[in-house]
This record gives sequence, structure tokens and C-alpha cells, in this order.
Amino acid sequence: GQSLEQPSEVTAVEGAIVQINCTYQTSGFYGLSWYQQHDGGAPTFLSYNGLDGLEETGRFSSFLSRSDSYGYLLLQELQMKDSASYFCAVVGGFQKLVFGTGTRLLVSP
Amino acid sequence: DAGVTQSPTHLIKTRGQQVTLRCSPKSGHDTVSWYQQALGQGPQFIFQYYEEEERQRGNFPDRFSGHQFPNYSSELNVNALLLGDSALYLCASSGTGQVEQFFGPGTRLTVL
Repeated sequence: GQSLEQPSEVTAVEGAIVQINCTYQTSGFYGLSWYQQHDGGAPTFLSYNGLDGLEETGRFSSFLSRSDSYGYLLLQELQMKDSASYFCAVVGGFQKLVFGTGTRLLVSP
Repeated sequence: DAGVTQSPTHLIKTRGQQVTLRCSPKSGHDTVSWYQQALGQGPQFIFQYYEEEERQRGNFPDRFSGHQFPNYSSELNVNALLLGDSALYLCASSGTGQVEQFFGPGTRLTVL
């Protein structure tokens, strides 16, 4: 089977940088995606790593290392609105998503 | 563009009943996937529809079935409801070959 582990909760202050890690066990996949979900809201796409290395999208960056079965999401210049749950997800055939356990990020003033 | 829409928003059923949830994909998308999200957990893949056929399926029993219509909209049916079926049911759409999936707001199902 496939499993993806994330820290359950991370706290930080406005303006700080936070890294959310994702370790996975899977037999094969095309890449790793990250989704953000506010309480009561729908998951929204943040980034995708199809290859090893760093992808940058504005304040968010994501990293993948297939040899280490590891990825992370880096959020810079944190804002209060970044308080949400963040999920890594393995992307399989036909874009099937297998989600991680999720990390709740709490940003304080 | 309305994005992905789902109906109803909330639903309360009793054990043993049957339920149908509906999803309209984002304009231009032909693939619809359904996910179940229990409270405090990540979404779990139920199945995916493409060209009106179930293309792949997750580890869910046959009580969960679906349909896709020629306009790409989709339905999720759950028979013989169990208390454990209480969850947020999310529909996601994507275009062929596109990595990003667009999620609807979900249907909150409560089984009493």
C-alpha cells in the first residue's frame, strides 16, 4: 500500500518561515503535490514536483527527493491567512491522489 | 466560470438508507474523481470517472457506486449507509493530463 506521514501540527508567527515535511512509502508514482485546505473549505492546489528538486511559486516552495522518499513544503513570509491544513499527496496514474495525514498550521500575530 | 459545484451541501440520513450526491466539474474538464474525508484526516480516493466509465477505484466496498453523464457531471451513490460513512464527500475535476485537481466545496453527510 501507500502511506504518507506528516507532522500533525506546526505553529509559527507572522513573517516567519515554516517547513512541513512529508515522508512516504509507495511502490510507484509520478510526483508529489501539495494542497491547502482551510476549515470548512475545499482543498486547493499549491504545487507539484514531478522531478527531484525545488519548485518555487511565490511565497511557497516545494521539494522532492525520491531517493530519500521525502518531500517538503516551505512557506515564507507567513501571513495569518496561511493558517490552514496542508496535505501532501502522491500523484498516481490518471492523476489519482493519495493524500497524507495532513498538517495543521497555526500562524499567530 | 463557476468552478466545481456539488449538491447538496449537507445531508442527514439514517443507517440503511441510500444517498446520491451530485457534482458538476469545472468547465472544460472531462475527469471527475470522488474522495471521502473523515474529520481530521486526509481525503481518501473512492473512484474516478472518465468518458462515462469508472476508470479506477480505491479501496471502497461495492456499496459505493457512481455515474458520469455525457456533460461530464457525476453522481456518487452510497447504499446501505453505515455510521462510518459520515464524512465530507469531495468531488474533484481535472482536464486530461493535467496534474492540478480542482475540488468542489463538498457534501457533508451525517449518518445517524
